Amino acid sequence: GAGVSQSPSNKVTEKGKDVELRCDPISGHTALYWYRQSLGQGLEFLIYFQGNSAPDKSGLPSDRFSAERTGGSVSTLTIQRTQQEDSAVYLCASSLAAGVDTQYFGPGTRLTVL
Amino acid sequence: GQQVMQIPQYQHVQEGEDFTTYCNSSTTLSNIQWYKQRPGGHPVFLIQLVKSGEVKKQKRLTFQFGEAKKNSSLHITATQTTDVGTYFCAGRNAGNNRKLIWGLGTSLGVNP
Repeated sequence: GAGVSQSPSNKVTEKGKDVELRCDPISGHTALYWYRQSLGQGLEFLIYFQGNSAPDKSGLPSDRFSAERTGGSVSTLTIQRTQQEDSAVYLCASSLAAGVDTQYFGPGTRLTVL
Repeated sequence: GQQVMQIPQYQHVQEGEDFTTYCNSSTTLSNIQWYKQRPGGHPVFLIQLVKSGEVKKQKRLTFQFGEAKKNSSLHITATQTTDVGTYFCAGRNAGNNRKLIWGLGTSLGVNP
């Protein structure tokens, strides 16, 4: 079946512009995660959605970052007034439910802020 | 806060040699997962360990979960060039089952 998809695969933007990154989780997965990975680094947790519960936003690095998950499926990560340090690969993952653990990752969006 | 440390950060081996990466948590974990990320790719789930002292094998890969459920290891026997990548451990705190805490990964290079 279809895995997690993300779009765009690559995004180049100018400093100060806003960007939106999209994630389509695996159908039926209620948990959705956003991570950021800088070159050669580990995964930095950003935000987590589980069903209709309030999202866990504890990893968002600043108020320029926000995320939505509409209808319990597709999620959008928005970065406002992008900075060069925002350049990274943004990975989305989904899992069947909280506590059902295997996370399935999408291919990521590589964001470059010039 | 809770931390998961992985060592070594990098290792290069000759093809055919063994390789081990270690994962240590500052707190007791309810479970631990291992993922592999190939260069240019995204993390892919390998295995989950839940029980104290658990050992699981996948072909040449052996995974262990410590008795105290605070550490884990991944051992690869007779490495191959296809093993190249970064291996991440990710632990779930015994008191918080929502969010995985990720190690920084061990990057493995294999010389043919």
